[in-house]
Amino acid sequence: DQQVKQNSPSLSVQEGRISILNCDYTNSMFDYFLWYKKYPAEGPTFLISISSIKDKNEDGRFTVFLNKSAKHLSLHIVPSQPGDSAVYFCAAINRNTGTASKLTFGTGTRLQVTL
Amino acid sequence: NAGVTQTPKFRVLKTGQSMTLLCAQDMNHEYMYWYRQDPGMGLRLIHYSVGEGTTAKGEVPDGYNVSRLKKQNFLLGLESAAPSQTSVYFCASSYSRGDRRRETQYFGPGTRLLVL
Repeated sequence: DQQVKQNSPSLSVQEGRISILNCDYTNSMFDYFLWYKKYPAEGPTFLISISSIKDKNEDGRFTVFLNKSAKHLSLHIVPSQPGDSAVYFCAAINRNTGTASKLTFGTGTRLQVTL
Repeated sequence: NAGVTQTPKFRVLKTGQSMTLLCAQDMNHEYMYWYRQDPGMGLRLIHYSVGEGTTAKGEVPDGYNVSRLKKQNFLLGLESAAPSQTSVYFCASSYSRGDRRRETQYFGPGTRLLVL
């Protein structure tokens, strides 16, 4: 049972345009969401996060939007750059279960930014 | 700071062999995690530790054992490797600050394991 879903395995965007990566979740107990970026042969690196009490969080070119009623979040990258080409993972957590930060990851979306 | 390091980077095993993957972090983090990544499956949690001397099962623990004898190290063991354990293994760590833990996990570069 995939509790965090990224239904688009891949996305191609032209340099300078907006990239929109989507993520859906089924567990209404998730209250914190993160996006990770992964280059080939490297580990995932943290990109941006959002708490369920917010609907938007912005960090430079990256903005994450959360729609709790739809159980949907999206990552916007504006403007997209060739260095943004990577696999992006959405992750979620219920912070009320235990002490460890047990993240549930989506399957990832491969973003390619073309010149 | 080296962050999170993993040893080895790549390993080939025969079915039934055993091996240990080593994860080390120099950030004084309390929490450490082992994940596996398979095509189309995202990252799945194998085992985790909330402190030195403690371990707990994650989503896919079968066939693996772990130990956290020192705060900075988290070992993942395969007692009898199977082809289904062919995967990329990632270690991660995160810290807690009193009652408030940090959800952001810092990942190592991964270990690619091939079981023939």
